[in-house]
Amino acid sequence: AQKITQTQPGMFVQEKEAVTLDCTYDTSDPSYGLFWYKQPSSGEMIFLIYQGSYDQQNATEGRYSLNFQKARKSANLVISASQLGDSAMYFCAMRVSSGSARQLTFGSGTQLTVLP
Amino acid sequence: ETGVTQSPTHLIKTRGQQVTLRCSSQSGHNTVSWYQQALGQGPQFIFQYYREEENGRGNFPPRFSGLQFPNYSSELNVNALELDDSALYLCASSPGTTLSGANVLTFGAGSRLTVL
Repeated sequence: AQKITQTQPGMFVQEKEAVTLDCTYDTSDPSYGLFWYKQPSSGEMIFLIYQGSYDQQNATEGRYSLNFQKARKSANLVISASQLGDSAMYFCAMRVSSGSARQLTFGSGTQLTVLP
Repeated sequence: ETGVTQSPTHLIKTRGQQVTLRCSSQSGHNTVSWYQQALGQGPQFIFQYYREEENGRGNFPPRFSGLQFPNYSSELNVNALELDDSALYLCASSPGTTLSGANVLTFGAGSRLTVL
């Protein structure tokens, strides 16, 4: 079974500063993908960044980067130069290659608040 | 290209009733997944449809059922509603079922169901 753990229920960051959201995962499958999604109060899940288990380099997408430490089974999201619009719920998720269903397993999320 | 659209956005039902939620997938996407997100939690996988057939299911009872149509749109049906079925129901589409960064799930804004 797969599991995602997000230990920070809430985080605060000052505008224009960087923030790291923690994510650890557990799976016995050697092939997997890790995702981060943002969920504003409107409810829609917005894809931010993806990291494959065999990718050699950490993924980056604009102000988002994923700090992938495979041996420690962690996949932390780093947001640089925070903006007020970054205030939202952030979810880490994993998908494994085995099994008939390619479903995502989500963590419980981190509520990020950006302060002016 | 249009994204994933869901209807209705909000609805209220009473215990024991039945509900149908609808989802139009993003253009070019042939796989649809449904997730249940209870308040304060991450989404949980219900099932996935590919080529009009269910090809994966999470830990949900048979009273949760679905359909996928030739145009790749989908329905989620829940019979004999229970209070714990109150949640945000998210539909997601993707261009395939395999594990890759390219097959990112695109989510709709969800249907918020309240069961009284």
